[in-house]
Amino acid sequence: NAGVTQTPKFRILKIGQSMTLQCTQDMNHNYMYWYRQDPGMGLKLIYYSVGAGITDKGEVPNGYNVSRSTTEDFPLRLELAAPSQTSVYFCASSYKSGRSSYNEQFFGPGTRLTVL
Amino acid sequence: AQTVTQSQPEMSVQEAETVTLSCTYDTSESDYYLFWYKQPPSRQMILVIRQEAYKQQNATENRFSVNFQKAAKSFSLKISDSQLGDAAMYFCAYYGKGGATNKLIFGTGTLLAVQP
Repeated sequence: NAGVTQTPKFRILKIGQSMTLQCTQDMNHNYMYWYRQDPGMGLKLIYYSVGAGITDKGEVPNGYNVSRSTTEDFPLRLELAAPSQTSVYFCASSYKSGRSSYNEQFFGPGTRLTVL
Repeated sequence: AQTVTQSQPEMSVQEAETVTLSCTYDTSESDYYLFWYKQPPSRQMILVIRQEAYKQQNATENRFSVNFQKAAKSFSLKISDSQLGDAAMYFCAYYGKGGATNKLIFGTGTLLAVQP
């Protein structure tokens, strides 16, 4: 198993450009997440998905969009890049079987994005 | 809303010595999980140890152990016989079982340096 993979590893964008961060997992997990990590800070949830076709906002969704057409893929879209979106982006996945259950979240290696 | 606080931005320890990283949290929930994640320079998020709130016994994983004080809402990580490979950013994280999102709430992290 490759686990959670993310592409690209690094990217520099100009203000106003758009891009998609790719995330794929091969563990048949139903839940997937996008987090961002600003310098010196912990991770904050941007969006999450509980299954194909279902997505919802996290703590910091502004400026981002997501879709989940398959169980494996959960891309994150930046439409009009801004300097405030300079961050490291992590995708994660887990399998959740019930409301109160918890199973470990597995993280991808991250994408370092700089917006100039 | 739940919060996680790590009051030590940086810590240093001599190789083979013991170090304790602090974490406090705030929640009105009674059932939850607490975690310590390690993030080395590779940026990969690695689960170090987890504690279930209803379990009074402190979790232990090899050289890593926690001191969980539920009433005080304190969750510290002790690393014994520190090794050079333990140098990393350490994040404390919270998961409330009452939520449907499986969302993790992270602290701001403690950067641990290990001196040879």
